[in-house]
Amino acid sequence: GAGVSQSPSNKVTEKGKDVELRCDPISGHTALYWYRQSLGQGLEFLIYFQGNSAPDKSGLPSDRFSAERTGGSVSTLTIQRTQQEDSAVYLCASSLNSGPYYEQYFGPGTRLTVT
Amino acid sequence: AQRVTQPEKLLSVFKGAPVELKCNYSYSGSPELFWYVQYSRQRLQLLLRHISRESIKGFTADLNKGETSFHLKKPFAQEEDSAMYYCALKIGARQLTFGSGTQLTVLP
Repeated sequence: GAGVSQSPSNKVTEKGKDVELRCDPISGHTALYWYRQSLGQGLEFLIYFQGNSAPDKSGLPSDRFSAERTGGSVSTLTIQRTQQEDSAVYLCASSLNSGPYYEQYFGPGTRLTVT
Repeated sequence: AQRVTQPEKLLSVFKGAPVELKCNYSYSGSPELFWYVQYSRQRLQLLLRHISRESIKGFTADLNKGETSFHLKKPFAQEEDSAMYYCALKIGARQLTFGSGTQLTVLP
């Protein structure tokens, strides 16, 4: 079956503009995660959705970042008033459930460049 | 807070040589440990997890709670092993906490 998909694959935006990044998880997966991969910084957790529970937003770096998950499926990560330090690859992952025994499947990422 | 440390950003070995990618973690409880791999132009994927005690593509990793380490080892490296490797831990239902990664290059 299809894996996790993300769109767009690349996004170039001007500083100060808002951007929306989309993630389509694997069908039936209840858990969805957003991570950020910055050059030399490794992978940084941003936000996590599990079913109908309130999302864990503890990794969001500022209030310019927000995310929603509609109908327990597709998720959108929104960055308002983008800054150059937001430039990174944004990865989405989904898993069947959230426990440690469930593998997270990653999407190909969206490369965001803020000029 | 939990933390994962991968001390080597870059590691080069010759084909056929043993390879060890180091990973240390800080967490007082019993986390679940994983190794993820990202080959060139491919997406991040799970390589192995300590709870499975498995060997994948010749790689093994043993959890040493005394040393809080989860080093990844392979006795004979192959050129196709060249990739970025991330060690990660998970506590219960929470998100993965990743190390900063080690870029492995296997030279011919």
